[in-house]
Amino acid sequence: AQSVAQPEDQVNVAEGNPLTVKCTYSVSGNPYLFWYVQYPNRGLQFLLKYITGDNLVKGSYGFEAEFNKSQTSFHLKKPSALVSDSALYFCAVRASGYSSASKIIFGSGTRLSIRP
Amino acid sequence: DTGVSQDPRHKITKRGQNVTFRCDPISEHNRLYWYRQTLGQGPEFLTYFQNEAQLEKSRLLSDRFSAERPKGSFSTLEIQRTEQGDSAMYLCASSSQARTGSETQYFGPGTRLLVL
Repeated sequence: AQSVAQPEDQVNVAEGNPLTVKCTYSVSGNPYLFWYVQYPNRGLQFLLKYITGDNLVKGSYGFEAEFNKSQTSFHLKKPSALVSDSALYFCAVRASGYSSASKIIFGSGTRLSIRP
Repeated sequence: DTGVSQDPRHKITKRGQNVTFRCDPISEHNRLYWYRQTLGQGPEFLTYFQNEAQLEKSRLLSDRFSAERPKGSFSTLEIQRTEQGDSAMYLCASSSQARTGSETQYFGPGTRLLVL
């Protein structure tokens, strides 16, 4: 069965400092991995995804994520945090393959708080 | 605006009433998904359509829930005899099918349901 774990409910970072939001996954076969961000009372916005190839994936708003197969992790990173990055972040996984179920499995979310 | 739209954005109803939500996907997307998100949790998959065919339903989707996509465009999600436990955000997403399943799902703003 597919699963995603986001071990931190909340991450607090000072503006200008680097940030990391952690994610580990479990899936049969090769994973497709996603990060989404959710602002209050809004739907989810796509940030980036890993399909194959380069382990470092770059996405929207200066975010990037590193796929680590041996550690089954896909941590989200940004070199310099902005107050506007404060939001709820979700990691998600889907097993690869056409016959796989189309649904994405989401983690429980990590609230990122950037203090000025 | 060419994103996913949902209507209504908010719905308050009394226990036992029926409610219906609508989702309009991105126009060229042939896949449409419904998710439910409760406070403090990530979205949970409910069901998905490929064109007008409903291909998968979660065990979360009880007999009181029904979804349709009659012409392969917009979709409706109906909840009959609502219960207080149905209170949640209902999210719709759409995607353009990729053979490997690597496509990105794009989410609408959600419909927040409160059952009194």
